[in-house]
Amino acid sequence: KAGVTQTPRYLIKTRGQQVTLSCSPISGHRSVSWYQQTPGQGLQFLFEYFSETQRNKGNFPGRFSGRQFSNSRSEMNVSTLELGDSALYLCASSLFPGAETQYFGPGTRLLVL
Amino acid sequence: DAKTTQPTSMDCAEGRAANLPCNHSTISGNEYVYWYRQIHSQGPQYIIHGLKNNETNEMASLIITEDRKSSTLILPHATLRDTAVYYCIVRVETSGSRLTFGEGTQLTVNP
Repeated sequence: KAGVTQTPRYLIKTRGQQVTLSCSPISGHRSVSWYQQTPGQGLQFLFEYFSETQRNKGNFPGRFSGRQFSNSRSEMNVSTLELGDSALYLCASSLFPGAETQYFGPGTRLLVL
Repeated sequence: DAKTTQPTSMDCAEGRAANLPCNHSTISGNEYVYWYRQIHSQGPQYIIHGLKNNETNEMASLIITEDRKSSTLILPHATLRDTAVYYCIVRVETSGSRLTFGEGTQLTVNP
């Protein structure tokens, strides 16, 4: 069974631009969560999607948004990029919200210049 | 979710058991203890979880004290590939998939 796929793996943007990251969960998994990892703040929860609905949201500004499609694939968008948005963005999938095991993807490393 | 406390770093000799402690003194009765690890620049990997009883799987063993205020993750025969940051997380499964990561323990397995 294929694991969680995230694209692109690396991305360079400039301040003020926007970016869209994609996550394909493991086949059959319907819950997708997003995390941001920075050296200063560590791993922080962004949001969770299930059945195309956002179920849970972390403490991030409205510039961070996401969505989920009917095939469970998810995208997250960051608008008006700031230098501090440089981070590793991780996606995790599970069968359903609260399932015992979550599987993380390799992440997308975003650099904002 | 309850806060956890872990040592910042630990060392272990290859082939020996690695015992990683975690303190979660404010854990609630319905909160599970989860362990994940993150090898450098990769996504976190689930290791094991438990509620009250000790648990064992192919990767590790989890020992939870009777009062549930602390736990220990045991890697029975550590290898160089076990070098990673290990995160102890407590959560209520009904709260969705949200995981609250602390700073974790950097385990370095030495040859």
